[in-house]
Amino acid sequence: DAGITQSPRHKVTETGTPVTLRCHQTENHRYMYWYRQDPGHGLRLIHYSYGVKDTDKGEVSDGYSVSRSKTEDFLLTLESATSSQTSVYFCAISEQGGNTEAFFGQGTRLTVV
Amino acid sequence: QKEVEQNSGPLSVPEGAIASLNCTYSDRGSQSFFWYRQYSGKSPELIMSIYSNGDKEDGRFTAQLNKASQYVSLLIRDSQPSDSATYLCAVKKEGGGNKLTFGTGTQLKVEL
Repeated sequence: DAGITQSPRHKVTETGTPVTLRCHQTENHRYMYWYRQDPGHGLRLIHYSYGVKDTDKGEVSDGYSVSRSKTEDFLLTLESATSSQTSVYFCAISEQGGNTEAFFGQGTRLTVV
Repeated sequence: QKEVEQNSGPLSVPEGAIASLNCTYSDRGSQSFFWYRQYSGKSPELIMSIYSNGDKEDGRFTAQLNKASQYVSLLIRDSQPSDSATYLCAVKKEGGGNKLTFGTGTQLKVEL
């Protein structure tokens, strides 16, 4: 299994509070991604990183920010959590290149009440 | 139009039969295609990748790519109950920032 660890694995938080999810990799892969998965929508890209301090938005980035200060860590922050951000969040990593696959972490189930 | 489309299913097949899963994509700049399997409550795991037109076989799995028609399929031979899962099609575009775009997945049920 690819060395990807997400924390926490489960979290319940209240509306309006900030939340930070962490993804840690031991593979030294250049690319890291945050996806959310919701019924009927599949996996949707929130933000991704192509290097330390280099990040870009995905298709559902509103309400989320990210940071990558080290190759191995990619943080996803919900600035002010809303019920619509209740979801399962997956981190993924990938080497650079068109023919490279992505490997996924175990996922974080976030519930905003 | 979604970038990657899959029939959500469920697709039910009897044990031992061939399961055929299909995926279409809209961007002709797509260059790499992946099939992931996801068991309920688990993370996606890669089972096949294909980059060139034609067939690619790996054990009981065969991926088929037709870029002219913009579809990719996954065949599972001798289906087993353990193959029951959701299968996600993913596409990577040339110059697309190394990002994968996923379909919504097809739920496969293999019945005894």
